[in-house]
Amino acid sequence: DADVTQTPRNRITKTGKRIMLECSQTKGHDRMYWYRQDPGLGLRLIYYSFDVKDINKGEISDGYSVSRQAQAKFSLSLESAIPNQTALYFCATSDASGQKDNEQFFGPGTRLTVL
Amino acid sequence: QKEVEQNSGPLSVPEGAIASLNCTYSDRGSQSFFWYRQYSGKSPELIMSIYSNGDKEDGRFTAQLNKASQYVSLLIRDSQPSDSATYLCAVSGSSASKIIFGSGTRLSIRP
Repeated sequence: DADVTQTPRNRITKTGKRIMLECSQTKGHDRMYWYRQDPGLGLRLIYYSFDVKDINKGEISDGYSVSRQAQAKFSLSLESAIPNQTALYFCATSDASGQKDNEQFFGPGTRLTVL
Repeated sequence: QKEVEQNSGPLSVPEGAIASLNCTYSDRGSQSFFWYRQYSGKSPELIMSIYSNGDKEDGRFTAQLNKASQYVSLLIRDSQPSDSATYLCAVSGSSASKIIFGSGTRLSIRP
């Protein structure tokens, strides 16, 4: 079984709809991250969480919210989706283990299309 | 100036040759450096981490770090068609709480 899973893998929705993307991990890592990837722009950090009670904004958090329901689960919500949120979304995890705490492991991604 | 810069490519290398990928970064306090490989439509996969100046070798891959010049490179020896992918450079800044990704270099290994 995959260590980091994301659901759904693909989603098409309409402008104004609320969407939730879910991420679960069995790696036992404390840290979890949400990124979006757009062609030519690389990976951009939306939100990150270092433990269940810790939530931090990334560089592009506007229009998004997150919930860390448990150590293993980190959800990303789009309260009112808009077309420029069409992108590939990745969840990632890392272990808080000193030097290697930024070695991140990625889920398979969710391709979101907002019409 | 972008925080992490890479040439977008495509970089075309003949099979069996050495592929050389380069990355520069702007934060002099950066501590950790990573190379990820991403196949089309797939998620990034960590292939190398490097934390101190010099070279680090792992199989056909060698990462090189020069903090004084603020660059990190990845060499792939004996390039194979399966190495054709986009390679992402990532750097953790002086705050060390997150990493910044470059936009990636697309590598194509030609037979």
